Amino acid sequence: GAVVSQHPSWVICKSGTSVKIECRSLDFQATTMFWYRQFPKQSLMLMATSNEGSKATYEQGVEKDKFLINHASLTLSTLTVTSAHPEDSSFYICSARVGGREQYFGPGTRLTVT
Amino acid sequence: KQEVTQIPAALSVPEGENLVLNCSFTDSAIYNLQWFRQDPGKGLTSLLLIQSSQREQTSGRLNASLDKSSGRSTLYIAASQPGDSATYLCAVKAAGNKLTFGGGTRVLVKP
Repeated sequence: GAVVSQHPSWVICKSGTSVKIECRSLDFQATTMFWYRQFPKQSLMLMATSNEGSKATYEQGVEKDKFLINHASLTLSTLTVTSAHPEDSSFYICSARVGGREQYFGPGTRLTVT
Repeated sequence: KQEVTQIPAALSVPEGENLVLNCSFTDSAIYNLQWFRQDPGKGLTSLLLIQSSQREQTSGRLNASLDKSSGRSTLYIAASQPGDSATYLCAVKAAGNKLTFGGGTRVLVKP
């Protein structure tokens, strides 16, 4: 149980385009979802926290107009990187949680912006 | 602001040796501490979760201790195997219900 999926697993896009990443909780309803970014050989940095049906809360230094987060249902959250640039290339990982319990992590999405 | 540090950043051992990975955190007011494994290009696999009221957790060859007052946790992996090669991350959950991650320890177990 407690499986979180992400789609796509990897994506290459051209600079200036937008890309959407989906995060789904497959066998549970997630009241809260988190989005992390991980640069090579670095740890995970929390980007934002989203609760179903409400606006996401962004961490300091994360541009909310660039990284659009939608948590439309209890099993789906999306991260859209708008007007992507090469410096946005990174590994994006989502996680999902029910109430105050343990977080379950997705397999990650590798984004490369050329 | 909570800060989590993992030492060493990288570790290489011959197969069969025991692994000792350290994690320290600056604010002892935590709810729990969790150890994860991450293989290259992959997501996180939860290994052990220690509640703030617990001193240790064990799973197979893995044992994690927690000394909340001193802000430290140690992950022990007994009789290491090449398949244990990965990056190990510790994370603490504190006020705000957010996880703060350490920088990770990259482990290589040589056959």
